[in-house]
Amino acid sequence: IAGITQAPTSQILAAGRRMTLRCTQDMRHNAMYWYRQDLGLGLRLIHYSNTAGTTGKGEVPDGYSVSRANTDDFPLTLASAVPSQTSVYFCASSEGTSQNEQFFGPGTRLTVL
Amino acid sequence: GENVEQHPSTLSVQEGDSAVIKCTYSDSASNYFPWYKQELGKGPQLIIDIRSNVGEKKDQRIAVTLNKTAKHFSLHITETQPEDSAVYFCAASTYSSASKIIFGSGTRLSIRP
Repeated sequence: IAGITQAPTSQILAAGRRMTLRCTQDMRHNAMYWYRQDLGLGLRLIHYSNTAGTTGKGEVPDGYSVSRANTDDFPLTLASAVPSQTSVYFCASSEGTSQNEQFFGPGTRLTVL
Repeated sequence: GENVEQHPSTLSVQEGDSAVIKCTYSDSASNYFPWYKQELGKGPQLIIDIRSNVGEKKDQRIAVTLNKTAKHFSLHITETQPEDSAVYFCAASTYSSASKIIFGSGTRLSIRP
C-alpha cells in the first residue's frame, strides 16, 4: 500500500514558468489538501477538496489552482511561478473532514529562481 | 479567523526528562486539536489528538491537555528518547469550518544523550 505519493520530489523552476505538482492517494479518502511549509511559519493550507468534483480555498490560495477530477488525484498548479513560491509542498488526505487524521505525502521541494 | 500560536520554537531536553510544548488558539468555536510529528525529510504524522469534550488524553509516554476556558492546549512527552527528536506541530479546527485546519509554527525538539 503506497498511501499518498507526490511528484516530483524536488524541482528548480525559472520564474514565470508553469508547474504542476502531482499528488495521488490509494486510500479512497474523500478529502485532500495542499499545504506549503516555510521555516518559522508551520504548515499553511493552500487549497482543499472535500470530495471529487469540489475544491475550496485555504489560507494562502493566490497564485495556485487545483482540480479534483477523481477521488485519487489532486494536482496543484502554479500558473506563473514567482520566487515567493519557493517552499516545501505537502499533499495530505483524510477519510472525512480535517477533523479526522490527515495522512501526508513525503513533500515536494520547489525552488523558483 | 483562527490563529494558533505555539511555544517554544526550539526545545532541548536531556534524555529521560519530560518535554512540554504549549499552544494557544483564538477561535472559541475550535473543537478539534491534533498534534503532528515531523521527522527530517518526511511529512507530518499524527501522534495524538483531543476533542473539546475532554480535558486530557494519554497514549503511553504522550499526553495532551486542553483548557477551553483559557484556549490553551499542551503536549507532554515523558521519559524522552532519542527517537522523540523531531518537529512537532499543534493545530486547531472548528466543526463549522471543518475543511480547514490551522497549524502552529512548530517546535523543534532535540533530545540530548
